[in-house]
Amino acid sequence: SYELTQPPSVSVSPGQTARITCSGDALPKQYAYWYQQKPGQAPVLVIYKDSERPSGIPERFSGSSSGTTVTLTISGVQAEDEADYYCQSADSSGTYPWVFGGGTKLTVL
Amino acid sequence: EVQLVESGGGLVQPGGSLRLSCAASGFTFSSYAMSWVRQAPGKGLEWVSAISGSGGSTYYADSVKGRFTISRDNSKNTLYLQMNSLRAEDTAVYYCAKATAGVVVTAIPLDYWGQGTLVTVSS
Repeated sequence: SYELTQPPSVSVSPGQTARITCSGDALPKQYAYWYQQKPGQAPVLVIYKDSERPSGIPERFSGSSSGTTVTLTISGVQAEDEADYYCQSADSSGTYPWVFGGGTKLTVL
Repeated sequence: EVQLVESGGGLVQPGGSLRLSCAASGFTFSSYAMSWVRQAPGKGLEWVSAISGSGGSTYYADSVKGRFTISRDNSKNTLYLQMNSLRAEDTAVYYCAKATAGVVVTAIPLDYWGQGTLVTVSS
């Protein structure tokens, strides 16, 4: 099977910059996507194709890619950004078309 | 407006079966692949299964292969997940989600999600 690895938790103070990483061997060949999930709610897509932002997602959310690691950056973190964040991609062979990272809990101090 | 409404969840004994449904509206259902994603209590997201827009291609996670069957009825705009030989570890909220393409040839995102239906496997 294929795995995407995320840190379990990230903590930042309001106004600071949060960076959440996701590592996987196939990431140089496959796009990565990021979802935000708040308690009791369904996930929401916040970044697609490594760095594109869907309409309606605040500009403080951005994404980047370098080798086997992709990064979700939230600039000027707000209290409302406290949530679980998941990266998603696929393995290089297409056997596992959707793979999620384990998730990162973002805490706004 | 895209809407995905899951139904069919509930309490089932280990070894039992359940069929989940997802009623879709607000988009051309047959043009998009669909997926089931689950989330065990207090845990992360786990992809379960997916099906192409035509229904001709299906995909399964190793954890459910041979026990779960995904299908769709494009005339009824409905996605299904037949779950057999259920185990305690299948207990989760099951989400139906829409992909952004009809075929799966590379990593694509899930842009709309339902609110989920809870499946509890317990004696």
